[in-house]
Amino acid sequence: AQKITQTQPGMFVQEKEAVTLDCTYDTSDPSYGLFWYKQPSSGEMIFLIYQGSYDQQNATEGRYSLNFQKARKSANLVISASQLGDSAMYFCAMREGLRYNFNKFYFGSGTKLNVKP
Amino acid sequence: DTGVSQDPRHKITKRGQNVTFRCDPISEHNRLYWYRQTLGQGPEFLTYFQNEAQLEKSRLLSDRFSAERPKGSFSTLEIQRTEQGDSAMYLCASSLEGRLSGTGQETQYFGPGTRLLVL
Repeated sequence: AQKITQTQPGMFVQEKEAVTLDCTYDTSDPSYGLFWYKQPSSGEMIFLIYQGSYDQQNATEGRYSLNFQKARKSANLVISASQLGDSAMYFCAMREGLRYNFNKFYFGSGTKLNVKP
Repeated sequence: DTGVSQDPRHKITKRGQNVTFRCDPISEHNRLYWYRQTLGQGPEFLTYFQNEAQLEKSRLLSDRFSAERPKGSFSTLEIQRTEQGDSAMYLCASSLEGRLSGTGQETQYFGPGTRLLVL
């Protein structure tokens, strides 16, 4: 089974509007971490936001927030007030095995976001 | 700039040749990761080091692949007898082990990658 599933290969959003990028994950480990990365056309992966499995509140970082629904195993990224510079690939990732200090990271296949002026 | 650097940025080689890539992590980071990314896909974990010790290896890392981090600083990834299926972007990332054990918030900082094309 896929560890990370991103079902939206591509998304369009109007500038200044909010957009939600979907991510579901699969793990039986109670201790895990969820990440979102942005990859512009230049290729470099940029860390956006992190959510721990035991965190009580949804993570927020500026215009980024993570809608964490543990029972549904979903970790959707919400970008508010989209900007043209937000156009990029977005990857959801999971780190498993925190209790044992493993360091295996799994990435989804990504969502290409296009922000229209 | 003290980010993660990778060299070379691009490599074209013929099938059967050996190639070696280098990664210089952020200086105080003790963990270093290698990933492979093919077109339209997310990065796939290959291996990771804590200081000079290689602690995890993916099944993707066949016998033709070897990685080292001899002094716990820079790392090299070598591919022997390259095949056309090895064509991909090879990404390196580094991180600092979290001070709070088990928090999981260990952010990986990625380098610009090495794009390999095997003809």
